[in-house]
Amino acid sequence: DGGITQSPKYLFRKEGQNVTLSCEQNLNHDAMYWYRQDPGQGLRLIYYSQIVNDFQKGDIAEGYSVSREKKESFPLTVTSAQKNPTAFYLCASNRGDLRNIQYFGAGTRLSVL
Amino acid sequence: GQQLNQSPQSMFIQEGEDVSMNCTSSSIFNTWLWYKQDPGEGPVLLIALYKAGELTSNGRLTAQFGITRKDSFLNISASIPSDVGIYFCAGLLNAGNNRKLIWGLGTSLAVNP
Repeated sequence: DGGITQSPKYLFRKEGQNVTLSCEQNLNHDAMYWYRQDPGQGLRLIYYSQIVNDFQKGDIAEGYSVSREKKESFPLTVTSAQKNPTAFYLCASNRGDLRNIQYFGAGTRLSVL
Repeated sequence: GQQLNQSPQSMFIQEGEDVSMNCTSSSIFNTWLWYKQDPGEGPVLLIALYKAGELTSNGRLTAQFGITRKDSFLNISASIPSDVGIYFCAGLLNAGNNRKLIWGLGTSLAVNP
């Protein structure tokens, strides 16, 4: 089945540690996105990529990094510089066309130990 | 970052009741999207709207693209317990070469059987 797979579902980070969240899609979509979701704050855009080997900062990129070496994959690293990383992280993709309908993975919940 | 005004923030209703929610903005949008998010999962697209005045249904759900292109409405008729979740609106903002989805903060729906 085509879709977006995020892993792991739950992740724990120790102080000073970098952690990487995986996002893989087999929809052949050009564009991919990372959002952070906190209670009552909706979805906030961290980074997005419209094409392989290119990505742009979103509204809250500080403390995060991404790469887009393959069309199917858009991993997000939460660095030690992100002082409040506890949140629900959502990956999305779309075809990159004018309609911009985004399809989401099931999310990764990150907590700090 | 820019956000839409989505209301109400939460609703608690009896099974069988109809539900209405809306999103407004000071900006003009070319596309309105409505998503539903179940607890611990990613948002799933319910309805997409592309033309001012457009009225689209998906089962018991009906959504409208406001004639001014600055608002959108979602109605759910005869609610059932599985309608529980968070409903998000998103508007596509065209700014030159930069097309960006702007998100509402969500309407949390609880249904009492």
